Amino acid sequence: AQKVTQAQTEISVVEKEDVTLDCVYETRDTTYYLFWYKQPPSGELVFLIRRNSFDEQNEISGRYSWNFQKSTSSFNFTITASQVVDSAVYFCALSEFYTGRRALTFGSGTRLQVQP
Amino acid sequence: EADIYQTPRYLVIGTGKKITLECSQTMGHDKMYWYQQDPGMELHLIHYSYGVNSTEKGDLSSESTVSRIRTEHFPLTLESARPSHTSQYLCASSEETTGGREKLFFGSGTQLSVL
Repeated sequence: AQKVTQAQTEISVVEKEDVTLDCVYETRDTTYYLFWYKQPPSGELVFLIRRNSFDEQNEISGRYSWNFQKSTSSFNFTITASQVVDSAVYFCALSEFYTGRRALTFGSGTRLQVQP
Repeated sequence: EADIYQTPRYLVIGTGKKITLECSQTMGHDKMYWYQQDPGMELHLIHYSYGVNSTEKGDLSSESTVSRIRTEHFPLTLESARPSHTSQYLCASSEETTGGREKLFFGSGTQLSVL
């Protein structure tokens, strides 16, 4: 069975602060994929990043960065110099390779509020 | 970018009514999904499809049914709506069919309220 845990239900920061959203996962497979999605108030989930289990290189995209650590089964997401437009619910998700017939398993989401 | 459309955006309906939530995508994706999102934000897979005439139930038991007669269309039907069906329903599609690495594209959702 696979499971994704996002322990932070809600985070509130002031604009320009850095913020890290935690994601811990469980899987028995050695090959799997991890994702982050953003759900703004409009409701549509937007894909942010996908990593496979063999690629532990951290990734940076603008103000966004991701820290993947297999040793701790974590895939954390950091927003640097947060902006009000970053306010949204962020979901971490997991997909196993050998059960690719199934869809993503999502965490419960972290609601990020960025105050001006 | 995939285009995936859900209608209606909001629906308020009385108990016992039959409803169909529409979902269409224009990118020719084989895989399509329905997720139910509860007020606590969690997303639960309720149905998925790998192509025409292929449908399967997801992780969360649902009284809804789906059909996939055309690649681009994946409607969800509730024969008799109840207040417990009140939720946000999200449709998604994906462009890859192997290995679990598929990236999902989501519609804007249908917020269903059953009175």
